This record gives sequence, C-alpha cells and structure tokens, in this order.
Amino acid sequence: AQKITQTQPGMFVQEKEAVTLDCTYDTSDPSYGLFWYKQPSSGEMIFLIYQGSYDQQNATEGRYSLNFQKARKSANLVISASQLGDSAMYFCAMRGTYGGATNKLIFGTGTLLAVQP
Amino acid sequence: DVKVTQSSRYLVKRTGEKVFLECVQDMDHENMFWYRQDPGLGLRLIYFSYDVKMKEKGDIPEGYSVSREKKERFSLILESASTNQTSMYLCASSPSRTGKTNEKLFFGSGTQLSVL
Repeated sequence: AQKITQTQPGMFVQEKEAVTLDCTYDTSDPSYGLFWYKQPSSGEMIFLIYQGSYDQQNATEGRYSLNFQKARKSANLVISASQLGDSAMYFCAMRGTYGGATNKLIFGTGTLLAVQP
Repeated sequence: DVKVTQSSRYLVKRTGEKVFLECVQDMDHENMFWYRQDPGLGLRLIYFSYDVKMKEKGDIPEGYSVSREKKERFSLILESASTNQTSMYLCASSPSRTGKTNEKLFFGSGTQLSVL
C-alpha cells in the first residue's frame, strides 16, 4: 500500500528565511511521482512542484525546490526567502505506476505554514 | 487556464437531506475526482470517474454516490446527509486516461459543507 507521511502539523518561519517542509513516502512501485500542493485560506489547491522517481536532479520551480532522497524515501519541500503570501497549508502527494486510468493521487495530512513578519 | 468550478463555496444542510455537490471542468479532461478534506486527515478520495457514466470507489465511498452524465460535469450525492459528513469537499480533474505518474490534478475552490 502507498502512504504519504507529513509529521509537522504546523510551522512558523520568519519572513525572508528558508523553510523545509518534511514528507516521507512508502511505495513498492518501481516508478512514481511526487507532488507538492499549496492551499491558501481561499481553499483552492495550487500545484507547486513535481519530482519523478527516476529524475536525476532535484526539481526546482522559482523559490520552491524539492529535496529528493530516494533511499530515505523522503521528498521535502524547501521554500527559500519566505514571503507573507506563503502562509498556507502545504500537502505532499504521490502517484505510483500501476492502475492506468485508475491511478490515484494520494495525499499526506498537510503542514500549516505561518510566515511571520 | 484550466478551470474547475464547484457550484457552492459554502453549504448548510439539515440531517437527512439529500445533498448535491456539483463540479464542472472546462478543459475536456477525462478524469474527475471528489476528495474530502478534514483537519489532521488530509485529503481522502471518495469517488472518481475516468469516463462518462463510469465511476470507481475511492478510499471512503460509504454514504456517497456520484454521477457523471456528461464529460465536463461530476456530481457528488449525499443521499441522506449526516453530521459526520460535515467537511470540505474538493473536486479535481486530470487530462488523460493513462494515469501517467507526472499527471497533476487541477482543483476547484472547494465546498465547505455543514450538516446540522
């Protein structure tokens, strides 16, 4: 069975500092994809970044980077130079190889990030 | 831009009522999903559909049903609402039927349902 674990229910970070949100996963699929989504108070889920299990380099998207450690089964999100607008709930998610059309995206429990001025 | 629209942002219903949550996507996506979001539990999949009139149970289908009569519309139905169905409901869609590992979901803004 596939599982995503986010052990930090909530975090504070000072504006302009970097912050790491933890995510570990469990899967037996040989190929899989890892995602991070942001959910501001408005409710909409916003896609941030994707990492494939066979990607040689860690994914980066602007101020977001994914610290992918395959052997440890971790996919931590790093946000550099935090901004007040980064305050939101962040979800880690995974999709495995098998299932074709029924291949589901499973989510962790989320981390609530509060950026302090 | 892909747009996934959920008909209501907030909804208040009484116990025992039949509740319809509507979701429409405008990008001809094959797959549509209903998730439920609760504090401390993250997002849990209720039902999904990869084709018109096709549906598959997710992880927590009990107490829910779905309908997909047209490709762009996916409805979640609570036949007899109960207080434990008070939650945020998120609809999502994705483009292809192949379920590639890198295929992301596009979400609506959610419906906060309160059952009293």
